[in-house]
Amino acid sequence: IAGITQAPTSQILAAGRRMTLRCTQDMRHNAMYWYRQDLGLGLRLIHYSNTAGTTGKGEVPDGYSVSRANTDDFPLTLASAVPSQTSVYFCASSVLSGSRNEQFFGPGTRLTVL
Amino acid sequence: GQNIDQPTEMTATEGAIVQINCTYQTSGFNGLFWYQQHAGEAPTFLSYNVLDGLEEKGRFSSFLSRSKGYSYLLLKELQMKDSASYLCAVLDSNYQLIWGAGTKLIIKP
Repeated sequence: IAGITQAPTSQILAAGRRMTLRCTQDMRHNAMYWYRQDLGLGLRLIHYSNTAGTTGKGEVPDGYSVSRANTDDFPLTLASAVPSQTSVYFCASSVLSGSRNEQFFGPGTRLTVL
Repeated sequence: GQNIDQPTEMTATEGAIVQINCTYQTSGFNGLFWYQQHAGEAPTFLSYNVLDGLEEKGRFSSFLSRSKGYSYLLLKELQMKDSASYLCAVLDSNYQLIWGAGTKLIIKP
């Protein structure tokens, strides 16, 4: 693994189903983030984690949950998917939260909820 | 509320210079980032400004004026591979990144 990986690459999901998007980084970064990107809108932060064992809510957290059991993994769960959650989801990480630490992004997961 | 404005789309010619503007109104300011995003790919870091002035990095330069809430990204000697979206993002008082919707840059031969 080099950098950040996400799985699956894409997924079509029936409304009401539960889905977990996976994110793994091998850079030993402390901070990790989940964003969604929709056409015409900027990246919007869903949840973040400043360090293993802690998580926080971003701008659009409703309908999503996260966990950070260790440094490398930061899964995002949709408990009961709805069509408005159709989007491209990016996981990102940075050395530390805040400051000039650039964020490194995974390749994204394209999710369609029908 | 917090707001970041950038033009939706710009067109430029190969070999020319283009300036992409970004204006922001945020709760606090701890720096401004520019990222490049090719279609279907992840954003990648281009530049970071926290003090007023111009930061030059090869063909790309980024300028910041904190008093005006304004930044621009300058791309010189445009190449076809520069066709991409350019995202402006501000680190607010909570050290969260607030993102603009991005500027799609189209390069014509």
